[in-house]
This record gives sequence, C-alpha cells and structure tokens, in this order.
Amino acid sequence: DAKTTQPTSMDCAEGRAANLPCNHSTISGNEYVYWYRQIHSQGPQYIIHGLKNNETNEMASLIITEDRKSSTLILPHATLRDTAVYYCIVRGHTGTASKLTFGTGTRLQVTL
Amino acid sequence: DGGITQSPKYLFRKEGQNVTLSCEQNLNHDAMYWYRQDPGQGLRLIYYSQIVNDFQKGDIAEGYSVSREKKESFPLTVTSAQKNPTAFYLCATINRAEMNTEAFFGQGTRLTVV
Repeated sequence: DAKTTQPTSMDCAEGRAANLPCNHSTISGNEYVYWYRQIHSQGPQYIIHGLKNNETNEMASLIITEDRKSSTLILPHATLRDTAVYYCIVRGHTGTASKLTFGTGTRLQVTL
Repeated sequence: DGGITQSPKYLFRKEGQNVTLSCEQNLNHDAMYWYRQDPGQGLRLIYYSQIVNDFQKGDIAEGYSVSREKKESFPLTVTSAQKNPTAFYLCATINRAEMNTEAFFGQGTRLTVV
C-alpha cells in the first residue's frame, strides 16, 4: 500500500470549512484513498473514500487531484465535535496481503 | 460497533504475565488487523490476517502473537517479551473481496501493565 503524508496539526474556526490535505504521490492506479477520523480513545470512524472522482457525502467532501498524487478532505462547516485526528490512507489489492497502514494523521482543533 | 467487538475495554495485568485481547466480528470479513496506539501517536500495525489459519507480521510484531482459527475471531496475545505493553489496542476488519469498502474498527482495549 502507498504511503501518505499529512500535516501534523491544523486549526479551524467553528463554522468555517476545514481543508485537510494528504499527499500520496506513490499511489497506484487501483488504490483508493480513504479518510478516517479518531476521537480520543475511540476506534477510528470512516468518513469517505474515492478513486479518482471527487466524492461527497453527508459528512464531508473529498477532492482528488487529476494526477491522484494528493487529495483534500473538506469539512464544509466545522463544529467543535469535529475536533479529532484525521487519517488519510490508500488501499488497494495486489492479489496478496494488504497491510492497511495508517500514518500519524492530522490533529484538527476546531475553536470558537 | 459495526459488528466488531473488542473485549475487555480496560485490562490490567502484572508485569511478566501474558495477556490475550479478544476481537470478534460477525461481518463475515476475511481480513482482520491489530493495531497499537500510544498516547498522541498514530496507529501502528502489529499483525494482520487475510484468511483463516494465515497471518502476517506488521511493523511492530515483536512481543506479540496471534491466531486465526476461525473467521470470526483474531485474538492477540501480548507476551512477557513485549517491553512496553501498556497501550491502546485496536482491531479492524475489511471485506477483502471488495476494494470499495471501508475498514470497521472495534472500540479498543486499553491495556495497563503494572
């Protein structure tokens, strides 16, 4: 699975859009980009995923660049409850084991 | 949550004792994973299993052992060889047959060795 890099931390004012970047420059053609978030001392929660088209659901939007080397998770109107660590991972199938590796994530702090 | 259960939520053990953490799923997923998380850190992969009776070491397997005798169960044993076992442990599953599906996580077990 491809490696991802994310900023260590970000701040966002409540009500504003939070834009969380992720670099995955070694992504392969069959690998999806997944985003999860983890609130303190809980299991990670799935947010959204995509292959090459932009995606939107009730939680967030995912913008993937045309070359697929990077993506941005957008929380359109951040609230205090969105304060969490956000993980970007890439996942595909090679016909053998898929390690499902997480990086260190981005700690998003939403403030009043 | 999502058909994956970790137990217990909190576990205390004396130094030098082996301890086994439970992870059970009813999602009929082939792939299961164990992660360790230290305070303020990300998730580090300990072991993973793609099918019954098969498993592979992750990035930090030393001092840990696993078994996968049943599809639904992937217990993790923290052995006395693990130098710093106190941590938060997370189990996850994925439907390996489909790339287009997310991983499901348990709520974790917080192990404290005294």
